[in-house]
Amino acid sequence: DIQMTQSPSSLSASVGDRVTITCQASQDISNYLNWYQQKPGKAPNLLIYDVSNLERGVPSRFSGSGSGSDFTFTISSLQPEDIATYYCQQYDNLPYTFGQGTKLEIK
Amino acid sequence: QVQLQESGPGLVKPSQTLSLTCTVSGGSISSGDYYWSWIRQPPGKGLEWIGYMYYSGITYYNPSLKSRVIISVDTSKNQFSLRLTSVTAADTAVYYCVRGRFWFDPWGQGTLVTVSS
Repeated sequence: DIQMTQSPSSLSASVGDRVTITCQASQDISNYLNWYQQKPGKAPNLLIYDVSNLERGVPSRFSGSGSGSDFTFTISSLQPEDIATYYCQQYDNLPYTFGQGTKLEIK
Repeated sequence: QVQLQESGPGLVKPSQTLSLTCTVSGGSISSGDYYWSWIRQPPGKGLEWIGYMYYSGITYYNPSLKSRVIISVDTSKNQFSLRLTSVTAADTAVYYCVRGRFWFDPWGQGTLVTVSS
């Protein structure tokens, strides 16, 4: 299985900060990488697919980049409603696998 | 707007079979436009993809669960189902049904299944 490693595991930032989360795959996954947001007690929600494509309705402050095995998820200006856990997910190889998650908190 | 809703017992005894159903509204499974998947999340932990199915009967399961899992479809009811046999406490999780094969959207609200005697 492809291992997905997110960094950091938790993050505390202030409203308005630029926030960056990284996701590293254990092998080259081309651009087959998605990002999800999970708010407490809720189901995950797709934010970005294929590295950098924003799902419809997702605010433009969210973005993604990368290729191969190293990927980045960025919130350009953190908002209070962005408090959540974020997961990356690869679909280059079955079984599809997720990162362990990055818990984002407000400082 | 497609919506998914999981249903099934919230408590299953060890060694028994976990059975869940996902009812899809606002879209047809048999349209063939999408695959349909199950994903689970143990309490306080990360996400594990269980498997997917297509309305024609195509399925693929996570090898870690392959010997115990079956995903099936009932197109007449616009539902798909998950069966997981010989459950243990390690199978305690919130189970989500989702639309999609490569990326997952939307998700059901999830249902907590606890394995305990």
